[in-house]
Amino acid sequence: GENVEQHPSTLSVQEGDSAVIKCTYSDSASNYFPWYKQELGKRPQLIIDIRSNVGEKKDQRIAVTLNKTAKHFSLHITETQPEDSAVYFCAARGFYNQGGKLIFGQGTELSVKP
Amino acid sequence: DTEVTQTPKHLVMGMTNKKSLKCEQHMGHRAMYWYKQKAKKPPELMFVYSYEKLSINESVPSRFSPECPNSSLLNLHLHALQPEDSALYLCASRSDFRQYFGPGTRLTVL
Repeated sequence: GENVEQHPSTLSVQEGDSAVIKCTYSDSASNYFPWYKQELGKRPQLIIDIRSNVGEKKDQRIAVTLNKTAKHFSLHITETQPEDSAVYFCAARGFYNQGGKLIFGQGTELSVKP
Repeated sequence: DTEVTQTPKHLVMGMTNKKSLKCEQHMGHRAMYWYKQKAKKPPELMFVYSYEKLSINESVPSRFSPECPNSSLLNLHLHALQPEDSALYLCASRSDFRQYFGPGTRLTVL
């Protein structure tokens, strides 16, 4: 079945450093890849997404890159700040996917130390 | 506006109680979802409604019963739950590709 693997499970960086989270998907027909940020006690918040016809997308300090050949995509956060501390989930949606079902990775707990 | 609302925020219920969770969106989205989430784990899909019809049931136990009265509302009826059903229940709606989550209901089953 469809699967998304996410690494690392925890990541600790110093404020101002960059953070990179990587995901690998199994379904080569996947065509949509969102990233969600979830702060403690809050809802998952869509922070950036990319479709399979685009290789890279950037929004201020965050960017996502997609390598369709290798079936992996990554989240890059530059100039990290303490408020970036949260659990981040990647997800993938297959082209033939009924109902828009997202397959989530297991999450990365990012800690940004001041 | 990408607002999905959920009520109540918190719910404590006994194993013999019947309760309902409510979700509402006024963005004209035609797909709505129920998820269950444990702490620091990804959301687990439970149900999908598309154009007010149930399109996906992820083999959820019958003690959870979804209902979609209209295109803006989604309910989740709960009956005879178990302590292991304690979790954050998230509703989401979808526009094109993007899914937007509500704030969730924190459910505790005693």
